[in-house]
Amino acid sequence: EVQLVESGGALVQPGGSLRLSCEAPGFTSSRYWMSWVRQAPGKGLEWVANIKYDGSETYYVDSVEGRFIISRDNAENSLFLQMNSLRAEDTAVYYCARTRHLGMGYGMDVWGPGTTVSVSS
Amino acid sequence: DIQMTQSPFSLSASVGDRVTITCRAGQSIGSYLNWYQQKPGKAPKLLIYAASTLQSGVPSRFSGGGYGTHFTLTISSLLPEDFATYYCQQSFSSPPLFSFGPGTKVDI
Repeated sequence: EVQLVESGGALVQPGGSLRLSCEAPGFTSSRYWMSWVRQAPGKGLEWVANIKYDGSETYYVDSVEGRFIISRDNAENSLFLQMNSLRAEDTAVYYCARTRHLGMGYGMDVWGPGTTVSVSS
Repeated sequence: DIQMTQSPFSLSASVGDRVTITCRAGQSIGSYLNWYQQKPGKAPKLLIYAASTLQSGVPSRFSGGGYGTHFTLTISSLLPEDFATYYCQQSFSSPPLFSFGPGTKVDI
């Protein structure tokens, strides 16, 4: 079964750091772009970052540029999100999603159940 | 950045109703438009990609249309399990900087 499983969410103080992980049992993630998407409590979806299948390209939403780093370890079939200088507004459920070319452009066709990050003192 | 808007913000409908949700892009995005369904407490699910192509396993009562800046998601005959929030998402940007619409909540 194709699935994704996130981990690493926690309660952290403002200014702190956290590293999220996403494992991909059931498929070879190295063949795909991968993305992180977050959802603040009671709010909509916000794309955070994505990474090319070989890790050679990474892109970020403006609000996390310079603070977050997306990376991957294809040997371990894993995706990561290093989050630094965390702010209260980073509080959200973080989803990893397989991102593939679908017809025109890219779509996110497999999602993990999410991991919760809370930034509070 | 490409801004996405949706209307209505929410709607109430009855089982069997035909429901249409609109998504607009801040600039022309061709057919680079996807639709997702999200139920409370669950991860989003891809419904439609490339504006009008149904993802595998998605019921045929869902359909998508549009091009450029104006897109629609239609549910032809609403079922109770369609209670959810629906999001559009553009993938036109190069480099791939994705953006979602604010969502439309459908109450049954």
